[in-house]
Amino acid sequence: DVKVTQSSRYLVKRTGEKVFLECVQDMDHENMFWYRQDPGLGLRLIYFSYDVKMKEKGDIPEGYSVSREKKERFSLILESASTNQTSMYLCASSSAGTAEYNEQFFGPGTRLTVL
Amino acid sequence: DQQVKQNSPSLSVQEGRISILNCDYTNSMFDYFLWYKKYPAEGPTFLISISSIKDKNEDGRFTVFLNKSAKHLSLHIVPSQPGDSAVYFCAASPKSNYGGSQGNLIFGKGTKLSVKP
Repeated sequence: DVKVTQSSRYLVKRTGEKVFLECVQDMDHENMFWYRQDPGLGLRLIYFSYDVKMKEKGDIPEGYSVSREKKERFSLILESASTNQTSMYLCASSSAGTAEYNEQFFGPGTRLTVL
Repeated sequence: DQQVKQNSPSLSVQEGRISILNCDYTNSMFDYFLWYKKYPAEGPTFLISISSIKDKNEDGRFTVFLNKSAKHLSLHIVPSQPGDSAVYFCAASPKSNYGGSQGNLIFGKGTKLSVKP
């Protein structure tokens, strides 16, 4: 059974704190993604990675950074959390190669509240 | 500018009836389209997909129709059940220059479906 796990389901942090969100997949997928989901805005891509130590900016990278030191793990970092980063954060992974399409498998999400 | 649009933020349907969720796109380079379903406090799960070279794909109660000339696709759920109540996301897979998928997906904003008993 394929699995993407996220370190926390719910997280409450204070403005200015450094926040780490961890994501681990056990499917040996090359691609990993971080999204945030907000009401009325859908899923917005923050960062993604096609390989270890590689990262690409998505649509809304400002205020975030990522780290991919191992294939199975992709971390999202909020350097200095702000209230507008209160959101549901979703991690996903998919296989690479010449597949016709790459279904993404999602983790359960982390509901982050920044006070 | 949004490349994948779901213009209806919500839809309410009676149990047993048909649910039709719509999605429009602007980029003719999209190769595949996918529908995801998301319950509150859970991650999205893959539901059904369709290749841009087809006009219909069916899986049980779920059918996706693609009208390439209109750049429009729709998801039909028949019959609708209360357990289908969720947010449905339409997503498009861009084709890469070297063939195959780029790997990323472009998502619409979602439509919240409510199926009433």
